[in-house]
Amino acid sequence: AQKVTQAQTEISVVEKEDVTLDCVYETRDTTYYLFWYKQPPSGELVFLIRRNSFDEQNEISGRYSWNFQKSTSSFNFTITASQVVDSAVYFCALAPGGYQKVTFGTGTKLQVIP
Amino acid sequence: EAGVAQSPRYKIIEKRQSVAFWCNPISGHATLYWYQQILGQGPKLLIQFQNNGVVDDSQLPKDRFSAERLKGVDSTLKIQPAKLEDSAVYLCASSPLRGGANSPLHFGNGTRLTVT
Repeated sequence: AQKVTQAQTEISVVEKEDVTLDCVYETRDTTYYLFWYKQPPSGELVFLIRRNSFDEQNEISGRYSWNFQKSTSSFNFTITASQVVDSAVYFCALAPGGYQKVTFGTGTKLQVIP
Repeated sequence: EAGVAQSPRYKIIEKRQSVAFWCNPISGHATLYWYQQILGQGPKLLIQFQNNGVVDDSQLPKDRFSAERLKGVDSTLKIQPAKLEDSAVYLCASSPLRGGANSPLHFGNGTRLTVT
């Protein structure tokens, strides 16, 4: 069985602060994929990043960075110098290799205060 | 490219009534998904199609929910009869087959259903 836990329900930060969203996952598969999606108030989920289980290299994309650690089954997401436009619900998700059944976490609502 | 289209955007019905949602995926995307997102929760997969065949419908309440994708393009999700607990946002997503088994999902804006 697969499980994704996002323990932080809501986070509020002041604009320009850094913020880290936590994601812990459980799976028995040796090959799997991890994702982060953003859901702004408009409702449409937007893909941010995908990582496979064999690639633990951290990734940076502009103000976004992701830290994948298999040893702790975590895939955390950091936003540097947050902006009001970052306000959204962020979902971490997990899928087994070879099959697109994606399990989503419960999401973390991020509010960036100007 | 045009995104995933869903309609209607909002729907309010009384319990025991029926309702249908429509989804048109991104052109060329072989895989189509219906997700249910209850307020405060993550999306839960209801059914997954690959072309016009069902890949996974293990979490679809088949006594009241049905879905079809007859020509392998657009899809319809129906609820009959609706219950109060069906109040949720119904999200449609699609993905290309060529991107691999775990290519990112492209989501529509969803249909917000309220059952009173």
